[in-house]
Amino acid sequence: EDQVTQSPEALRLQEGESSSLNCSYTVSGLRGLFWYRQDPGKGPEFLFTLYSAGEEKEKERLKATLTKKESFLHITAPKPEDSATYLCAVQARNTGKLIFGQGTTLQVKP
Amino acid sequence: NAGVTQTPKFQVLKTGQSMTLQCAQDMNHNSMYWYRQDPGMGLRLIYYSASEGTTDKGEVPNGYNVSRLNKREFSLRLESAAPSQTSVYFCASIGTSGGGNTGELFFGEGSRLTVL
Repeated sequence: EDQVTQSPEALRLQEGESSSLNCSYTVSGLRGLFWYRQDPGKGPEFLFTLYSAGEEKEKERLKATLTKKESFLHITAPKPEDSATYLCAVQARNTGKLIFGQGTTLQVKP
Repeated sequence: NAGVTQTPKFQVLKTGQSMTLQCAQDMNHNSMYWYRQDPGMGLRLIYYSASEGTTDKGEVPNGYNVSRLNKREFSLRLESAAPSQTSVYFCASIGTSGGGNTGELFFGEGSRLTVL
């Protein structure tokens, strides 16, 4: 069964304290893995797409990496405005279906 | 550029009442989706429409109906609301490239529904 698990559920960091969020997945053929950011009371907003193991994408303080079983979202020297829930989703190659993880809620304190 | 627009943003219903959530996108996307988001459950797909004139069930379709009115609009209807349908509902459309979808979803702001 296709599945996505994110860890930790919640993460509290001090401003400037780097860390990583994990997204583990099982899927029958990966078409793509996606990271989204969701602010309270808003819809998710697209961040990155990764297609193959070894691929990396960067945007400001965020870097996403992909292996055959998991993806990491690395946050370098975070700021309070990085506080949000980060969602991971995988798209299965055969069905095109998108499966979402439950998200990691990040809080960055000044 | 509005993207994906949902209405209403908030709604309170009594058990048994019906209502329709409206969604429109202005990005000329073919595929549109309705998700619900509950604490600890993540985003779950209710229904989707791969193209104008087609609709298919997702993971949790029971108690819902949908209509793809035209390429822009995709509505979600609760015929007889139940407390278990209290949730935040998101409409989304998916980007396209080279004849296929990119997997990148564009979401609306959400509709927060409470069923008493």
